[in-house]
Amino acid sequence: NAGVTQTPKFRVLKTGQSMTLLCAQDMNHEYMYWYRQDPGMGLRLIHYSVGEGTTAKGEVPDGYNVSRLKKQNFLLGLESAAPSQTSVYFCASTDSHLQGWEQYFGPGTRLTVT
Amino acid sequence: AQTVTQSQPEMSVQEAETVTLSCTYDTSESNYYLFWYKQPPSRQMILVIRQEAYKQQNATENRFSVNFQKAAKSFSLKISDSQLGDTAMYFCAFYSGYALNFGKGTSLLVTP
Repeated sequence: NAGVTQTPKFRVLKTGQSMTLLCAQDMNHEYMYWYRQDPGMGLRLIHYSVGEGTTAKGEVPDGYNVSRLKKQNFLLGLESAAPSQTSVYFCASTDSHLQGWEQYFGPGTRLTVT
Repeated sequence: AQTVTQSQPEMSVQEAETVTLSCTYDTSESNYYLFWYKQPPSRQMILVIRQEAYKQQNATENRFSVNFQKAAKSFSLKISDSQLGDTAMYFCAFYSGYALNFGKGTSLLVTP
């Protein structure tokens, strides 16, 4: 049982390049999330999904796209990276059957855009 | 929209002492969940404690306990017998029905 995993753990991009971050969970959770963490800002919600094939915007969705083609995977895409997207990205998952909606987090991906 | 405020950006405590981290939130909902997460230098987000708003009894997990004041919309975390391994960022979070809303965090340093 690996929990929530994220690929890659580190990445450096040049402005304008694209990339996809992969989140995978093996707990059969319905809900999955992408957050970004910036110094002094806490974690902010980018996009989320309440089930396979569904996605919705969070607090800071601009510049990102997501897809949930399989229940266990949640992909975050950057089509044209900008320096403002330099951040640490966290994926999380949870399920309505869990007591108190506890979210399980991945280890994070540190992305630097130069 | 729900907001979560942590008014102490940094705190320091000596080993074996007790420290309290403050958190206030704003919501119009009556049923919700509150969390404290710990983020050590490893960056991993670790759940410390959880409180259901409909429960009047304050949650406790070993050395960690909360003081939940629903009317005041306050949710503070008390760490007793502080240990060096408690050094970390601590985030208060509010579950809004679809995702967590986080405060900006309190950096806690435990000194020998």
